[in-house]
Amino acid sequence: KAGVTQTPRYLIKTRGQQVTLSCSPISGHRSVSWYQQTPGQGLQFLFEYFSETQRNKGNFPGRFSGRQFSNSRSEMNVSTLELGDSALYLCASSGLGRGGHNEQFFGPGTRLTVL
Amino acid sequence: AQTVTQSQPEMSVQEAETVTLSCTYDTSENNYYLFWYKQPPSRQMILVIRQEAYKQQNATENRFSVNFQKAAKSFSLKISDSQLGDTAMYFCAFMKQGGAQKLVFGQGTRLTINP
Repeated sequence: KAGVTQTPRYLIKTRGQQVTLSCSPISGHRSVSWYQQTPGQGLQFLFEYFSETQRNKGNFPGRFSGRQFSNSRSEMNVSTLELGDSALYLCASSGLGRGGHNEQFFGPGTRLTVL
Repeated sequence: AQTVTQSQPEMSVQEAETVTLSCTYDTSENNYYLFWYKQPPSRQMILVIRQEAYKQQNATENRFSVNFQKAAKSFSLKISDSQLGDTAMYFCAFMKQGGAQKLVFGQGTRLTINP
């Protein structure tokens, strides 16, 4: 079974631009979560989508948005990029399971650099 | 809100030694899960071990085991017979049971295994 894939792997943008990152979950997984990883703030939860609905959102400004398609693929968008948005963006997918927990499988991440 | 604290930013041990990574957390929830994730240099995040809060028995996975102290809100990871491939960032993480798949991470411990 193919793992979680993220595209692109690397991205360089300038301040003020916008960017779209893509995540394809493991086949059959309906939940996709996004995290931002920076040296200063560590790993922070951005949002989670399940069956095309956003179930939870982290403490990020409205410039960060996302969506999920009917095939469970997810995209996140960051508008009006700032230098502080430079980070590794990780996507994780999880499937249905018992007991309210599903293991999250992480993708390789997209490294975004904002100049 | 939940918080996870890892008090050891860096650790270094010799190959074949045993090492323990510390993690404490704060929550008012009674039902939750705790995890240790490993992020090798430039590689994907993978799950090392997980613990359900309702289980008193400590989880073990081969050379990896945890010491879960629910009352003290402590969740340490012990790596026995450490190997060079164990070199990585280790993150302790918390997830509420049910609802959105949202992990709350600690700041991480950079573990180096020396030959």
